[in-house]
Amino acid sequence: DADVTQTPRNRITKTGKRIMLECSQTKGHDRMYWYRQDPGLGLRLIYYSFDVKDINKGEISDGYSVSRQAQAKFSLSLESAIPNQTALYFCATSRGGGRELFFGEGSRLTVL
Amino acid sequence: DQQVKQNSPSLSVQEGRISILNCDYTNSMFDYFLWYKKYPAEGPTFLISISSIKDKNEDGRFTVFLNKSAKHLSLHIVPSQPGDSAVYFCAATLGNTGGFKTIFGAGTRLFVKA
Repeated sequence: DADVTQTPRNRITKTGKRIMLECSQTKGHDRMYWYRQDPGLGLRLIYYSFDVKDINKGEISDGYSVSRQAQAKFSLSLESAIPNQTALYFCATSRGGGRELFFGEGSRLTVL
Repeated sequence: DQQVKQNSPSLSVQEGRISILNCDYTNSMFDYFLWYKKYPAEGPTFLISISSIKDKNEDGRFTVFLNKSAKHLSLHIVPSQPGDSAVYFCAATLGNTGGFKTIFGAGTRLFVKA
């Protein structure tokens, strides 16, 4: 079983709909991240959290919000999805002080 | 402005030969560099890293070289195997208060032909 689990793995939705992507981890890491991958642009940071009371904006946070419900759970919401949010989304974790990121398997979102 | 650049979108190599993946960066404050490997339908996984105070790090078939004066690093895979076919992301980190910020390159897709 994956240490970092993302649901759903694939989602097709329409413009204007609210979407939530969920992430849970069993690694016991404090730090959690949401990244977005687009062709030719690599992975870009959307939001990150260092503990349940800590939420920080990343490079491309506009149009997104997050919730850290528990140490093991970090969800990403698109309040009103738009087509340019079509992308592959990755949740990741890291140990406090560690530089290595541990990624989930990804959630492919298509906004029509 | 991309601070970490992988200028080759793809690379094709014969099995048994050397694969060299390149990465350039612009921010001299980066203090640590990592390579991640990604197979289709999977998340990226950590492969190898190097601190900015070193110029080489080796792990089995994988070696990363860092040239700070040129702001350039490279990943060498010797010998290349078909199972190495994947997308490779170069990443750089900035020490920051309370944590680390990781900047990724766009990735290079490696094809190793049998």
